Parts: sequence; structure tokens; C-alpha cells
Amino acid sequence: EVQLVESGGGLVQPGGSLRLSCAASGFTFSNYWMTWVRQAPGKGLEWVANIKQDGSEKYYVDSVKGRFAISRDNAMNSLYLQMNSLRAEDTAVYYCARVGAMVRGVVDYYYYYYMDVWGTGTTVTVSS
Amino acid sequence: DIQMTQSPSSLSASVGDRVTITCRASQSISSYLNWYQQKPGKAPKLLIFAASSLQSGVPSRFSGSGSGTDFTLTITSLQPEDFATYYCQQSYTTPVAFGQGTKVEIK
Repeated sequence: EVQLVESGGGLVQPGGSLRLSCAASGFTFSNYWMTWVRQAPGKGLEWVANIKQDGSEKYYVDSVKGRFAISRDNAMNSLYLQMNSLRAEDTAVYYCARVGAMVRGVVDYYYYYYMDVWGTGTTVTVSS
Repeated sequence: DIQMTQSPSSLSASVGDRVTITCRASQSISSYLNWYQQKPGKAPKLLIFAASSLQSGVPSRFSGSGSGTDFTLTITSLQPEDFATYYCQQSYTTPVAFGQGTKVEIK
């Protein structure tokens, strides 16, 4: 069964740090881009960060640049999110997701990416 | 950055109704548009990718259309399990952006 399981959430004071983990199983983890998405209480979905299959490319939403770091360990089938200098506005459920892709084209190839497998989420609360 | 705007923000409908949700991008995103369903306390679920491709296992009453800046998610005959919040998401470029969501409630 294809599965993602997050862990590492909890209550942290403003300015503190947390490291989230996402354990993957049931698929070849090293073949996929991976992503973190968060959802603040009662709010919509917000993309946080992406990482390429080999970890060579990483992208972040502006609000977390310089504070969060996405990484992965393909040997351990695991994705991570190191969160530093946490703020109240970082309070959210954090989901990891697999990024699937469909390729179209004959001469030129076009990659259509989508988040096709999601974990159940881990809750981060930043409060004093 | 590309902004995604959904309408309406919420709607009330009855079982059996045809429901249409619209998503508009602030600039052209070709067909790089996905739709997700989220139920309370649960993770989102992929319904439609590349604007009109139905994800495996998703009922055929769900369909997507559009390209460029205007997209539509249609549920042809609303079922009790379809009451949820629906999000569009552009995958044309980073930063990835979601719409604000459309909550489908029981009339």
C-alpha cells in the first residue's frame, strides 16, 4: 500500500525549532519529487516547499525562505522539514505529499505535476 | 506570482444536483491545473489533474475542463459523500498556488 506518515509536530514557543519527518512506503521514493503543504486552522491549503528526486533542487514559499529547510534521505525513504525561527503564523497541520507527473508530447515533452498521495498530517502549534 | 481565485466560496446543493465550481488564474497556465477534495479532518484527495484527466479511482461524475485562465470542476449528480471543500491548484510554475477553496454544503 502506498503510504506517507508524518511525525514530529507539537507545541513550540515562538522562535523555536521543530523537525518534521515523513516516512514513505509502498512506492519507489527516489523516483518522485516530494512536497510539504500546510493548512492553518480553518484556512485553505498553502504550499510550503518542494524537493527534487535527488535533492538537487529545492523551492520554498517566500514566507518560509531562510527559516525552513526541506531535505530527503532516499536510503531511508524519508522526507524532512527543518523549521527554525517559528512564528505564530506557522501554526498549521503540515502534510507531506508525493508529486506525480504525466508527460504529454511527441517532440517536446510537457510535464504535468500533481500531488497524488498525501499523508494524514502532523500538527504544529507555535504559541507561548 | 500566480493567484488562483475560486467561485463561489461556498454553495448549498441537494443530492442529485449538478454542481459547477470555477477557478480563475491571474495569468495563463495552459492546462497545468489540478482539483482536490478535502473532507473535515482529512487530507486532500486528488480528483482531476492536467485540467481534465480523472485520477484513478475517482467516480466519473467528476469532470474538469478549461485552459488558459478559466477552469471548471463539474459534479454531474451530487452524492452524499461529495459534501466537502474543493481546491484548485496551479502547477505551471513555483510558487505553487491553491485557490481559497469552495465549500459544498447540504441544502
